[in-house]
Amino acid sequence: EAGVAQSPRYKIIEKRQSVAFWCNPISGHATLYWYQQILGQGPKLLIQFQNNGVVDDSQLPKDRFSAERLKGVDSTLKIQPAKLEDSAVYLCASSPHADGEAFFGQGTRLTVV
Amino acid sequence: GNSVTQMEGPVTLSEEAFLTINCTYTATGYPSLFWYVQYPGEGLQLLLKATKADDKGSNKGFEATYRKETTSFHLEKGSVQVSDSAVYFCALTSNQAGTALIFGKGTTLSVSS
Repeated sequence: EAGVAQSPRYKIIEKRQSVAFWCNPISGHATLYWYQQILGQGPKLLIQFQNNGVVDDSQLPKDRFSAERLKGVDSTLKIQPAKLEDSAVYLCASSPHADGEAFFGQGTRLTVV
Repeated sequence: GNSVTQMEGPVTLSEEAFLTINCTYTATGYPSLFWYVQYPGEGLQLLLKATKADDKGSNKGFEATYRKETTSFHLEKGSVQVSDSAVYFCALTSNQAGTALIFGKGTTLSVSS
């Protein structure tokens, strides 16, 4: 089966600019996650969707980050305006169940200069 | 809150050496425990998991046993190969539906021939 697709793979922007990432989960997977992975650290959850509803967004910096999952399938994560400390790999993952076992995309590496 | 602590790397071994990567956790209730692996240039993938105390997860020659009395889930392999060189992440989820993975910081393994 096709895996989790993410785009773009790489993005370089200047601070205060905006950026958006796209994720297409594995077909039929109800749960979708966005994680932020800063160099040298483990992934940290930003937001979790169950179908098109938000389950957990407690660690999402809502003053600058937003995410949506239209029709319970694809999802976009946006940062506006970006800060230098947002430089990281943004990982999308999906799961057929909300039990933690997840399938990850290859991620989008964001560099803010 | 829930958290995962894993040994710092990098871990450097010769081919056919024995591998142990330590992982301990703090969690309320009865979490599920996971090891994920990230090979160079690839996305995170599930290596093995255990969902209750005394369960042993195994895959590709790797094993880990869920030890509730020591709150540990150490990863072991009897004879490593060069192809095992990767970053290994210990992770947990709580037993509540909708709770996402909480990751450790990762341990880099480098195996030389």
